[in-house]
Amino acid sequence: GAVVSQHPSWVICKSGTSVKIECRSLDFQATTMFWYRQFPKQSLMLMATSNEGSKATYEQGVEKDKFLINHASLTLSTLTVTSAHPEDSSFYICSARDGREGWAYGYTFGSGTRLTVV
Amino acid sequence: DAKTTQPTSMDCAEGRAANLPCNHSTISGNEYVYWYRQIHSQGPQYIIHGLKNNETNEMASLIITEDRKSSTLILPHATLRDTAVYYCIVRAINAGGTSYGKLTFGQGTILTVHP
Repeated sequence: GAVVSQHPSWVICKSGTSVKIECRSLDFQATTMFWYRQFPKQSLMLMATSNEGSKATYEQGVEKDKFLINHASLTLSTLTVTSAHPEDSSFYICSARDGREGWAYGYTFGSGTRLTVV
Repeated sequence: DAKTTQPTSMDCAEGRAANLPCNHSTISGNEYVYWYRQIHSQGPQYIIHGLKNNETNEMASLIITEDRKSSTLILPHATLRDTAVYYCIVRAINAGGTSYGKLTFGQGTILTVHP
């Protein structure tokens, strides 16, 4: 089956620093990846959609200059939280769409990254 | 995508069947019903999906009403490890059989399996 690896699983950083989160599709090519954010006791909220080789599409209210997304290859997308502040502390989850013909399962999720900004 | 409605929470005794309902009354003809679950502090896990026929796999069964306006996810013998948030999502699949676009999550149903 499709596997998505997300790293790191947790990170603690100081306010004002930047943090990079990686999302890799291990056994399939992911032309499209999605980044979600989840606050405690809330559902997943889509932040942005990234397509390999092109600019990411951000959801309304998500600052593109703060949450930098790079999808430089068919197996890797990165999310960089720049100048992190305590309110950015959250659970970040990536998802990769397996575009193989007939693969209706479609979306595989990473295990998530717990970001704590102190 | 069609909106879904699920109960906020449900309880189930270990070893019994857990039946999780979902309403999707505005579903359209090319939209599938997907179920995912999220165990605490993990990414969502795919469970099952279907169009109009009932489906079964090693994890669960999916029963879709004839008018497709609602469905039920059945975990036949719930265990403590099935405690999670269960999300019912309606999503279209294109003519080539692949899903596309983004998945939008609602609040889901918190299923608690107790001893």
